[in-house]
Amino acid sequence: GESVGLHLPTLSVQEGDNSIINCAYSNSASDYFIWYKQESGKGPQFIIDIRSNMDKRQGQRVTVLLNKTVKHLSLQIAATQPGDSAVYFCAEKFGGGSNYKLTFGKGTLLTVNP
Amino acid sequence: NAGVTQTPKFQVLKTGQSMTLQCAQDMNHEYMSWYRQDPGMGLRLIHYSVGAGITDQGEVPNGYNVSRSTTEDFPLRLLSAAPSQTSVYFCASSYSAMSGDLTDTQYFGPGTRLTVL
Repeated sequence: GESVGLHLPTLSVQEGDNSIINCAYSNSASDYFIWYKQESGKGPQFIIDIRSNMDKRQGQRVTVLLNKTVKHLSLQIAATQPGDSAVYFCAEKFGGGSNYKLTFGKGTLLTVNP
Repeated sequence: NAGVTQTPKFQVLKTGQSMTLQCAQDMNHEYMSWYRQDPGMGLRLIHYSVGAGITDQGEVPNGYNVSRSTTEDFPLRLLSAAPSQTSVYFCASSYSAMSGDLTDTQYFGPGTRLTVL
């Protein structure tokens, strides 16, 4: 596998189960959050985002929850499939205008067992 | 649209050599950036650009130069490669957040895996 998976928290689930991946962010002023999926040998791929004025957002099979009180973000994947196996990481965005910056978490390796 | 493209996919350098990692996007995005990804470190921002002719430093800029002569291209130059620069490099682009719309998704290229011996 790719070296990006080394030293990462891991989550192993059975196909069909629901997965919950957690992320703690650092900056209470961050106003936008994104979850990315990175498959082996590929660049990160956008999954879902959420603004800081929301606490929940749903997509297709995915839900993101935001708890600003404890600076915690989670990604829920329903009916996990083998194709969901990847590294998932969150990113927080802060800064105004076009001079914003994204700070990325270290990621969680999700393995889906058939 | 091809999206964000990067070349080369793989590169091996000797210490002290210089090279340029190419990045191009065809989405007319104003914002482009370079990240490096190391095991257990996540993605770290090297340099970014908010438009043609404008660049700025990110979290880990030392040893790298960038320029933005066109909207489409954002090359990353290693002036004198060092083993510490062995990493996977990702270029990303997004629409400018000038309008205040915060939903500014970054699109990533496929990456360049660089090894410095």
